[in-house]
Amino acid sequence: EDKVVQSPLSLVVHEGDTVTLNCSYEVTNFRSLLWYKQEKKAPTFLFMLTSSGIEKKSGRLSSILDKKELFSILNITATQTGDSAIYLCAVLDNNNDMRFGAGTRLTVKP
Amino acid sequence: KAGVTQTPRYLIKTRGQQVTLSCSPISGHRSVSWYQQTPGQGLQFLFEYFSETQRNKGNFPGRFSGRQFSNSRSEMNVSTLELGDSALYLCASSLFPGFNTEAFFGQGTRLTVV
Repeated sequence: EDKVVQSPLSLVVHEGDTVTLNCSYEVTNFRSLLWYKQEKKAPTFLFMLTSSGIEKKSGRLSSILDKKELFSILNITATQTGDSAIYLCAVLDNNNDMRFGAGTRLTVKP
Repeated sequence: KAGVTQTPRYLIKTRGQQVTLSCSPISGHRSVSWYQQTPGQGLQFLFEYFSETQRNKGNFPGRFSGRQFSNSRSEMNVSTLELGDSALYLCASSLFPGFNTEAFFGQGTRLTVV
């Protein structure tokens, strides 16, 4: 059965720390992996990863995909309180079916 | 540029009733996707519409249906509501279908079934 597993489920860090969030998947006909940040209600898109080994970067956030080991990581450096959110990973297959992980709740303390 | 607008924001219904939720995408976006988010199941894909056609459907019973109008606005309908349908329903819009482009989410409709 296809699945997307995120770890850890929750994480508490202090401002300035660096965090790494994990997303592993077992999905047939993999097409791409997406990361979202969800604060309050509406998720916001962060990255879409399709190719293995190519890092995508946006400010303090970066992400990379490993299609051989079937996982992706999302890194956040120099964390700020505004980074506190649920980070969602989703995998899209060639049938356009999208599966989300349970999310990682990140809390950044001042 | 206005974002994705979902109405209503909050809704309380009783078991057995039906409900219709509305989503107005960003101007110019023709693809609308619907998601259900619950604490137990997380975020799950419901269906996707593009140019008034349903292109993709998640694993939900037939009580969940939707449609898209010529102006790209979309509605989602749930009939014969069950307690387990209580959830945050999110809508996302994008220029093209198939999740190839960045999708913008609305603030959601919080449905409570009592």
